[in-house]
Amino acid sequence: AQKVTQAQTEISVVEKEDVTLDCVYETRDTTYYLFWYKQPPSGELVFLIRRNSFDEQNEISGRYSWNFQKSTSSFNFTITASQVVDSAVYFCALGSYTGGFKTIFGAGTRLFVKA
Amino acid sequence: GAVVSQHPSRVICKSGTSVKIECRSLDFQATTMFWYRQFPKQSLMLMATSNEGSKATYEQGVEKDKFLINHASLTLSTLTVTSAHPEDSSFYICSATKYPVSSSGYNEQFFGPGTRLTVL
Repeated sequence: AQKVTQAQTEISVVEKEDVTLDCVYETRDTTYYLFWYKQPPSGELVFLIRRNSFDEQNEISGRYSWNFQKSTSSFNFTITASQVVDSAVYFCALGSYTGGFKTIFGAGTRLFVKA
Repeated sequence: GAVVSQHPSRVICKSGTSVKIECRSLDFQATTMFWYRQFPKQSLMLMATSNEGSKATYEQGVEKDKFLINHASLTLSTLTVTSAHPEDSSFYICSATKYPVSSSGYNEQFFGPGTRLTVL
C-alpha cells in the first residue's frame, strides 16, 4: 500500500528558528517520486521539490533543504532561519505507478512562524 | 509555463442543486487530469483520474453518479457535483499532466488554484 505519514500536525516556531518537517513514506514500487508542496491560506498549492527514488542526494535551495533517506523511507524538509511568510501547511506526497499513476498526499503539517 | 485554471474560484449553492467546476489547461494540452477534494484542515484526497475522450477512473469510495467528470477536450475537464448537500462542501483541486501517464519517466502535474464549494 502507498502511504505518506506526516506525524507533526502543527509546529509553532519563532522567527529565525530552524524547523524540520518530517515525512515517512511506504511503497513497494522501486520507481517512485517524492514531493513537497506548500499551501498558503489562499489554498493554491506551491510546488517546492521533486525527488525520484534513484536520487538520494540531498538538496538545498536557499533557506530550504531536503534530506532523502531510502534506508528509513524518509524525506524530511528543513527551513533554516524561518520567516513569518513561511507560515503555511506543508504537504509531503508520493507519486507512483501502482494501479496507474497517482499522487498520495500526507496529512500535512501546519507551520506557524511567529514574529 | 504550464498554467491550470479553475472556474469558479468560489461557489455557494443551495442544497439539492448541481454545481459544475471547470478545470482548464491554458497553455498546454492536458492528456490526463486529476480531481482532488480537500476538507478543512485535512489532506488532499484523490477523487478520480480522467483521460481525454474516455471515462474517468474513480477512487474507491467516490460516488460516480454524485461526482460526474467529463474530459471532453485536451484543455478542459469538468466536475459536476450533482444534488449537492452540505457534506459536499469542500475545496476541490484539479491537476493536469501534459503527456499520457505511463510507467516510463515522470510526468509533471500542474495544479489549479482550487474551487471552494459551500453548500447551504
